[in-house]
Amino acid sequence: EIVLTQSPATLSLSPGERATLSCRASQSVSRYLAWYQQKPGQAPRLLIYDASNRATGIPARFSGSGSGTDFTLTISSLEPEDFAIYYCQQRSNWPPTFTFGPGTKVDIK
Amino acid sequence: QVQLVQSGAEVKKPGASVKVSCKASGYTFIDYYMHWVRQAPGQGFEWMGWINPNSGDTNYAQKFQGWVTMTRDTSISTAYMELSRLRSDDTAVYYCATELAAGGSELGAFDYWGQGSLVIVSS
Repeated sequence: EIVLTQSPATLSLSPGERATLSCRASQSVSRYLAWYQQKPGQAPRLLIYDASNRATGIPARFSGSGSGTDFTLTISSLEPEDFAIYYCQQRSNWPPTFTFGPGTKVDIK
Repeated sequence: QVQLVQSGAEVKKPGASVKVSCKASGYTFIDYYMHWVRQAPGQGFEWMGWINPNSGDTNYAQKFQGWVTMTRDTSISTAYMELSRLRSDDTAVYYCATELAAGGSELGAFDYWGQGSLVIVSS
């Protein structure tokens, strides 16, 4: 099973700053790498799929990049509503399984 | 608009079973795989498996094989997840979620989520 690790565990930033979140896989991941945002008491929201494609309605300040084992989610300029926990997730082709990273919390500095 | 509405919170005793429902609306139910994911309190996510609402085929995570059953009722656009032999560490919020698809291919990401169903296992 592919294991995802995320760093840092917590990122303390101010509104307007740039956030760079990392997701590393224990072995090469196919194209199926996604990023989610979760706020307290809410279900996750899909931000990025296929490593770099923004989901419907996601603002352009969110971008994803990477391939193989190293992936990055960048928030170009943090808005107040962006302070949340971010998870990466991958799908393996065979066996067809899905795993999540442990999350990165972006909080207000 | 797409909505996944899940059943309410449940409190169960160890060894019991729980069945969570997920009613879909706003799209063609049989066109998208339905997944179940759980999140223990203060923890990350654990994928449990999927059901193809069209065929009824299922694929369970290895950990849950023999222990979880996913079904669907296409007449009412509802998916179900039943977990048996509950233990205290099954206490979690259980989510249903659809898998993003395009051009007839699944894209490995979950684009719509239910609101979550809290299951508490306690004696």
